[in-house]
Order: sequence, then C-alpha cells, then structure tokens
Amino acid sequence: DAKTTQPNSMESNEEEPVHLPCNHSTISGTDYIHWYRQLPSQGPEYVIHGLTSNVNNRMASLAIAEDRKSSTLILHRATLRDAAVYYCIQLGGANSKLTFGKGITLSVRP
Amino acid sequence: EAGVAQSPRYKIIEKRQSVAFWCNPISGHATLYWYQQILGQGPKLLIQFQNNGVVDDSQLPKDRFSAERLKGVDSTLKIQPAKLEDSAVYLCASSLGYQGLWPQHFGDGTRLSIL
Repeated sequence: DAKTTQPNSMESNEEEPVHLPCNHSTISGTDYIHWYRQLPSQGPEYVIHGLTSNVNNRMASLAIAEDRKSSTLILHRATLRDAAVYYCIQLGGANSKLTFGKGITLSVRP
Repeated sequence: EAGVAQSPRYKIIEKRQSVAFWCNPISGHATLYWYQQILGQGPKLLIQFQNNGVVDDSQLPKDRFSAERLKGVDSTLKIQPAKLEDSAVYLCASSLGYQGLWPQHFGDGTRLSIL
C-alpha cells in the first residue's frame, strides 16, 4: 500500500487553529486521503476523508493541494482533548486497507 | 449508537499460554477487522471479515493466531501459544461495507502483556 509522510510531532496552543501537514507524492487519481486520530488509551477515531475538493465536517477541515501530492488537516480551535496521534492514510481501490504509519503527535498547550 | 465493544480490557499471561479476545461490532456493520498495535507504532491489520467470510488474512501469523466470526456478528481472536513479541494492544473495528471508503469504527482494544 502507498505511503504518506508526516512530521513526527507538532505543538499548538489551546483555542488556536492547527494545521497538520501530510505528503502523499505517489497518490494516484482514484486514491482518497483519510485522517484518523488516536487519543491516549483509546482506539483510532475516524476524522475526515477527501478526494480532490476541500472537505469540512464537525470535527475538522481537509485541504487538498491542487496537484493532490499533499494535504492539510485543519483543526479550527484546538482544545486539550485534541491532543492525540493523527494518522494520514492514502487509500485507493475497493479492496484497499488502512495502512497506519507512525502518525504525527499533536500536543496542545493550555 | 453503541460503539464497538471489546473484552477483556487487559490481559496478562505467560509465554506459551493461550489467550482469546472478544469483539462485538456496531449493529448492522458487515465488515469486521482485527488489528495489532505494538507500542510506538500504528495499528497493523491482522484479519478482515465480510459477514462471516475472511476477506484478507495475509498478515495473520496463522501458526499461532486464529480468528472466527461464526454468525457474522461478534468475533473472537485467539493466540496459542503466545510469544513475548505478541505483547501489544489488539483492536477490533467494524464498518458498514468492505470497500476502503467506509469509515472504520474502533473499539478501545485489549492490552495484552506476555511475561
């Protein structure tokens, strides 16, 4: 399965926006970008996914570059509860499976 | 809606013993997954069921791991005999369909420690 690259960690301040980057330079035309997050001692939680257009839901926004080789997960106002490992996953085809990397660890300062 | 239920939450056994984990997916979810998450790593898919049939078990160590989903609802994952390297969190997830676009819903996992 194709691989994405993310920074190891990022820090943010509470109530400020957070932009989590992801590179997926080998993405093909039918591959989706999925984001999951994992809070301490919990299972992963689906956040958002998209193909070409920017996407918004109640949890976050996903901005996908025009060439689709990178994307950014945007948390509009970080809270302490958003401190977690965030996984960016490139998913393609009907039989593809979630392949988790190490993700990016987000710390939120009060 | 109720989430994915897993039990036990924690399990400690000695190497060479056997252990079993149980998972009850979200009602109506046809696809069920078992993942292994070693400390400091992302989850790794072990096996995927569509109803009670296996879709993908390519990463399941079949000499010691087995899984079943007899009635297409809940599932058990067994390890026999356990090795030290099996220490990990075992996560169960479910989704409405098996195509990759369906979001997966995860339980909180079973933390297995091998002594």
